[in-house]
Amino acid sequence: SQTIHQWPATLVQPVGSPLSLECTVEGTSNPNLYWYRQAAGRGLQLLFYSVGIGQISSEVPQNLSASRPQDRQFILSSKKLLLSDSGFYLCAWSVEDQQFFGPGTRLTVL
Amino acid sequence: DAKTTQPTSMDCAEGRAANLPCNHSTISGNEYVYWYRQIHSQGPQYIIHGLKNNETNEMASLIITEDRKSSTLILPHATLRDTAVYYCIAGSGNTPLVFGKGTRLSVIA
Repeated sequence: SQTIHQWPATLVQPVGSPLSLECTVEGTSNPNLYWYRQAAGRGLQLLFYSVGIGQISSEVPQNLSASRPQDRQFILSSKKLLLSDSGFYLCAWSVEDQQFFGPGTRLTVL
Repeated sequence: DAKTTQPTSMDCAEGRAANLPCNHSTISGNEYVYWYRQIHSQGPQYIIHGLKNNETNEMASLIITEDRKSSTLILPHATLRDTAVYYCIAGSGNTPLVFGKGTRLSVIA
């Protein structure tokens, strides 16, 4: 069966520090991969999605970037975090007509 | 993706069926109806999806009207653990899903 891993589960970072969140998927090949963010008390916002290795589509201009170095690995990065980057970051994968979410990383920028 | 409309909140007595409505009047022919729920501090959990026919799994039933302009998610015997925000989404399968504000379901003992 397919599983999706995200780490870390929680993260506290100072403003201006770099960020790297990793997501890996097991049990499937060539999935579409997604990064969403949910600010406190808000809905889910799509940040990036990828249909293959090295292919990244950005939905919202910001100081975040994404990369897909391997088929089942998706990385979210930032060179300098802002206070507004705080939130719940969710990785998701889809194949055909189904999409599933990971457990998420809760990021607090102080 | 077609826009969906859901009530902001609903209450349901524990043990009773919870019927969550969703309108998707602009849904296109190749778009599915998806339902997810999000329990506080967790990632969205897939519940069920369908295209035209009604669907049932171990979690819920999905009833889609014949014209596909609306649907209802049915939790047959709601428990306190079903308290969550429920999202109805119209989307075309292997593309990013657009989440709205959903329905906050409160199951009451």
